[in-house]
Parts: sequence; C-alpha cells; structure tokens
Amino acid sequence: DQQVKQNSPSLSVQEGRISILNCDYTNSMFDYFLWYKKYPAEGPTFLISISSIKDKNEDGRFTVFLNKSAKHLSLHIVPSQPGDSAVYFCAARKNSGNTPLVFGKGTRLSVIA
Amino acid sequence: DAGVIQSPRHEVTEMGQEVTLRCKPISGHDYLFWYRQTMMRGLELLIYFNNNVPIDDSGMPEDRFSAKMPNASFSTLKIQPSEPRDSAVYFCASSGIYRGANEKLFFGSGTQLSVL
Repeated sequence: DQQVKQNSPSLSVQEGRISILNCDYTNSMFDYFLWYKKYPAEGPTFLISISSIKDKNEDGRFTVFLNKSAKHLSLHIVPSQPGDSAVYFCAARKNSGNTPLVFGKGTRLSVIA
Repeated sequence: DAGVIQSPRHEVTEMGQEVTLRCKPISGHDYLFWYRQTMMRGLELLIYFNNNVPIDDSGMPEDRFSAKMPNASFSTLKIQPSEPRDSAVYFCASSGIYRGANEKLFFGSGTQLSVL
C-alpha cells in the first residue's frame, strides 16, 4: 500500500521550460515533505523540503508547493536544464516523532537540449 | 567528511550464495537505514538502527535477510541464501545526531546486486 505516490514514472521537458513533478499522499499524519534527486550510479541527495504549515518553499530554480486539502505536492523547476535530468523521489514523514521517511517510486525527468 | 560509504559497488552472485553488503555511516550520525530500490516498489525501507540498536525491521522481506550494526561506524546487510528476486540496488543512509529519524537522510552510492 503506497502512502506516497508518484504516478508519472517519467517526464520529458525541453531545456528552458518548466518541469512539474507531482506527488500525492494518503496519510494525513504526514507533516513534512522532501524531494530527493538521484543521478545514475549515485545515491539520492536532498533537494528541497516543505513543512505542512507552509504552502510554498522556494530555493533558486526549485519551488515546492503543498496543497494539504488535496494531499498533493509538486516540485517546479524553472528554467529546466539538462543537468536536472535525474530521478526525483518524493518523501514524507509522520508527525508522530521518530519515524523514517516514506518514499514514492520516483519520476525520471529528462531535460532535452 | 567522506559521506556514507558502501561496499561493494557491484555484486554478482549465483542463487543460493550468501551476500554481505557493508556500510559506514557519516561519523557522528546516530541513525542508520537500509533501503532497497526496485522499479516495482521504488525506495523501500528494510530496517533502521538508532545508536546501533535495531528499531524497526518490519520491512525486511524474509528471514533470509538480516542486518547488524556492531558499532557506530559499521553495519552489514546479509542475504542468505540469495535469490534472483533479491536483485536490486541496496542503499544505506544515515541521519545526524540531535535530529530524529525523519530528518533528511544522507545516502551512500548503493550496491547493485545481481543474483543469477
């Protein structure tokens, strides 16, 4: 039973355009959300996060939006660059304390020059 | 800091053989996690430790899987006997002191396991 869902296995975007990666969750106890980026033959690395008390967090070209009522978050990359081509994992944690992150299956983003 | 170090990077073995994956967490981190990545299930948590003590191993798929953390700087994940369906990338990750298990993780580069 997937509590964190990334329904698009892959996404292709032209360089310079906006990339939008989506993530849905089912557990209303989740209060903190993170995005990780993974290049081939490397481990995932932290990209950006958002607390449930906010609806937006921005870091340079990366912005994460959270819609709590819809249990949905999205990662926007503007403008997209070829170096952004990677697998992006959405992750969430419960507010019950020391519980590990729950990850989605990932979305493979390809930015075409 | 060298980051989380995993070995070997690649492991090819035959069905029935024992496989041992190794991990050295970031110095000072008190949480250590083992994840497995597959196309079907994405990143799934197998087991995690806090201060070398296993906290939750409910993600370990079968009794064929076992994990240990004999000290703060070393952990192993063992599969005995291995089966072709165990083929996946296995990641070790650690999380820093003063933070809970839910804070951002630092991952190793993973071990690509192929069981023939």
